[in-house]
Amino acid sequence: KAGVTQTPRYLIKTRGQQVTLSCSPISGHRSVSWYQQTPGQGLQFLFEYFSETQRNKGNFPGRFSGRQFSNSRSEMNVSTLELGDSALYLCASSLGMGASYEQYFGPGTRLTVT
Amino acid sequence: LAKTTQPISMDSYEGQEVNITCSHNNIATNDYITWYQQFPSQGPRFIIQGYKTKVTNEVASLFIPADRKSSTLSLPRVSLSDTAVYYCLVGGGGYSTLTFGKGTMLLVSP
Repeated sequence: KAGVTQTPRYLIKTRGQQVTLSCSPISGHRSVSWYQQTPGQGLQFLFEYFSETQRNKGNFPGRFSGRQFSNSRSEMNVSTLELGDSALYLCASSLGMGASYEQYFGPGTRLTVT
Repeated sequence: LAKTTQPISMDSYEGQEVNITCSHNNIATNDYITWYQQFPSQGPRFIIQGYKTKVTNEVASLFIPADRKSSTLSLPRVSLSDTAVYYCLVGGGGYSTLTFGKGTMLLVSP
């Protein structure tokens, strides 16, 4: 069974631009969660989607948004990029919602904002 | 939402048993305790999950006392390849926010 895939793997953007990251979950998984990882803040939860609806949201500004499609694939968008948005963005899929389900993580997208 | 506290780092030698403890004083009744392992530039990987008492799989054991306010991940006979960051995650199903702590950096030396 194929794992979680994320595209692109690396991205360089300029401050003020916007970016869209993509995540394809494991087949059959209906929940997709997004995380931001930085050296200073560690692994922080952004949001979780299940059946095309955002079910949980972390403490991030409205510049961070996402969506999930009917095939469970998900996209995450960051508008008006700031230097502090430079991070590894990880996507995880699971069979169900919440922490009681095993999260399968993708390799991540390394975003650099200059 | 249960907050977790783990040691920032631990050192060990090959062949030793390593125990990493996670404190979660305000764990909820329906919360599970899950541990993940992360290598540099990779996403975290599931190690083990438990609700109470002891759980064991092929790579680790998880000890949870009766009050469930803490848990201990036990790695038997570690090797150099076990050098990684270990995260404790506490939460239930459904609408529970997935919050990872800062993690414990385990360094295994020869």
